[in-house]
Amino acid sequence: EVQLVESGGGLVKPGGSLRLSCVVSGITFKDYGMNWVRQTPGKGLEWVSTITGSKNYIFYGESAKGRFTISRDNAKNSVYLQMNSLTADDTGVYYCARDHDMATIGYYWGQGTLVTVSS
Amino acid sequence: VLMTQSPATLSVSPGERATLSCRASQSVGNNLGWYQQKPGLAPRLLIYGASTRATGVPARFSGSGSGTEFTLTITGLQSEDFAVYYCQHYNNWPRAFGPGTKVEIK
Repeated sequence: EVQLVESGGGLVKPGGSLRLSCVVSGITFKDYGMNWVRQTPGKGLEWVSTITGSKNYIFYGESAKGRFTISRDNAKNSVYLQMNSLTADDTGVYYCARDHDMATIGYYWGQGTLVTVSS
Repeated sequence: VLMTQSPATLSVSPGERATLSCRASQSVGNNLGWYQQKPGLAPRLLIYGASTRATGVPARFSGSGSGTEFTLTITGLQSEDFAVYYCQHYNNWPRAFGPGTKVEIK
């Protein structure tokens, strides 16, 4: 069974930090790009960051640059998102997604983890 | 690359056809995907490569287009198809999603 399980979300004060984790099972992990995508309340989807599968190239969306750090541990089939200097605008559900076998677009998705930034 | 979608909301009767549009601010080739999202659930990839259905996606979903103009067509809408649909390009960095089209029951 394919499973992507995110964890690490929660309530944090503005300026605080969180580290999200995503553990992947049931599918090949190390050869594929991993993505973080978020969905803010009542809004659409926003691509946050990607780490590629082969050479660990890393890319960030504008909202994540300088504040968020993506990493992966292929031995643990896990991808992480370290989020610093959080603001209310970062509130939302954060999803991890593994790329499709044939295209660099998210195909396997987790259930999401909720991040709430509030004082 | 900025992605736009139209219309924002589409009211369709069950059994009818729905045509959703997605436009990119510059060419993304055929590196375009479509997602379906229902409340409280993660997005589900329907189409990649602009026109290739993902595994298990019913044939009533079809994608077309290339460059900057794309279309998702749902023929014979069924009750489970009422949802929000997003396009996303994966041609270069940064990736970007469109704002979504909500397909609602007429």
